[in-house]
Amino acid sequence: GAVVSQHPSWVICKSGTSVKIECRSLDFQATTMFWYRQFPKQSLMLMATSNEGSKATYEQGVEKDKFLINHASLTLSTLTVTSAHPEDSSFYICSASLGLGDEQFFGPGTRLTVL
Amino acid sequence: QKEVEQNSGPLSVPEGAIASLNCTYSDRGSQSFFWYRQYSGKSPELIMSIYSNGDKEDGRFTAQLNKASQYVSLLIRDSQPSDSATYLCAVPYNQGGKLIFGQGTELSVKP
Repeated sequence: GAVVSQHPSWVICKSGTSVKIECRSLDFQATTMFWYRQFPKQSLMLMATSNEGSKATYEQGVEKDKFLINHASLTLSTLTVTSAHPEDSSFYICSASLGLGDEQFFGPGTRLTVL
Repeated sequence: QKEVEQNSGPLSVPEGAIASLNCTYSDRGSQSFFWYRQYSGKSPELIMSIYSNGDKEDGRFTAQLNKASQYVSLLIRDSQPSDSATYLCAVPYNQGGKLIFGQGTELSVKP
């Protein structure tokens, strides 16, 4: 159990375009989902916390107008990178948890390359 | 500022040996502790959760928790080359359900 999927697994786009990444909890309802970004050889960086039916909470320094998060149901959260630029190229990973303080289950990640 | 500290390594052990990974945390009120394994280029995978003082065993993995010393460790017995990865210690942050991650320990198991 506790499977989280992400789609797409990789995407290449042109600078200035927008990219949507989906995160789904397949066998459980996730009250909270999280979005991370990880650059090569660096630690996970939490971008935002997403709760179903409410606005996402963004970490300091993360532009909420650039990284749009929608958590429409207990099994789906989406991250849209708007007007992507080469510096947005990274490994984006979502996770889901059953509740506050519970372990997080990570999706397989989406590798974004912006040309 | 709540903190989770790990030795960044790399930690190198021969195949078949015991690998010992350590983690300290700053918040005395923490109740849950998690170990994740992350292979290069992949996302983290939960391998152990521990909530009570003492040892918790799962196959070749043993997590050890000492709340008085604010210390949690992960032992990997009979280490295999396939165990080579970065191991992340994580502790929930009280607000919002976030996890605070250590910087990770890179483990290399040599054949």
